[in-house]
Amino acid sequence: SYELTQPPSVSVSPGQTASITCSGDQLGNKYTCWYQQKPGQSPVLVIYQDNKRPSGIPERFSGSNSGNTATLTISGTQAMDEADYYCQAWDSSTANVVFGGGTKLTVL
Amino acid sequence: QVQLQESGPGLVKPSETLSLTCTVSGGSISIYYWSWIRQPAGKGLEWIGRIYSSGSTNYSPSLKSRVTMSVDTSKNQFSLRLSSVTAADTAVYYCARESYSGSLNWFESWGQGTLVTVSS
Repeated sequence: SYELTQPPSVSVSPGQTASITCSGDQLGNKYTCWYQQKPGQSPVLVIYQDNKRPSGIPERFSGSNSGNTATLTISGTQAMDEADYYCQAWDSSTANVVFGGGTKLTVL
Repeated sequence: QVQLQESGPGLVKPSETLSLTCTVSGGSISIYYWSWIRQPAGKGLEWIGRIYSSGSTNYSPSLKSRVTMSVDTSKNQFSLRLSSVTAADTAVYYCARESYSGSLNWFESWGQGTLVTVSS
């Protein structure tokens, strides 16, 4: 089965740039999206189709996808960005939605 | 702004069937895909399956043998049934509206989630 791998945790200082990676075999040939989940809340879509932002998502969130790695980048990270982040892709070969294991972003 | 609300029993006995309903408000259930996703406490997200407003379905290969989804467009609702549950099925269950085209998908709106515990 297809797997997406994320680092368990990433730390960043306020105002700096955070990068969260998501790795999978030839992931660049698939479309990736990203969700933010704060404690006790439902996930929120922050990036879809590799690099598109839904309405209402701040411009500091951006995405890229190439080779075996997709990356969520948060520029000028704020304390409110502290959350778990999940990548997700559609694996057409198995007709399955695949989520990464999640990355806890700490802003300190 | 579409809103989704899960409902159903919070406690299910082992070997029985878990049943949940998602009510959609603020928009029509037609012409969209609708998914169920679950999350065990402290763990990641797992897709269960999707249903289109026409009734066509796709299920996760790992759960396919136990999952049934249905849709009631007259009530703007869709439902999940998961049979032969065990403690491993204990999780927060989310319903979500999905954009899906065959080569990509994303979940653009989520319900608040409902905790289902499997225990005797």
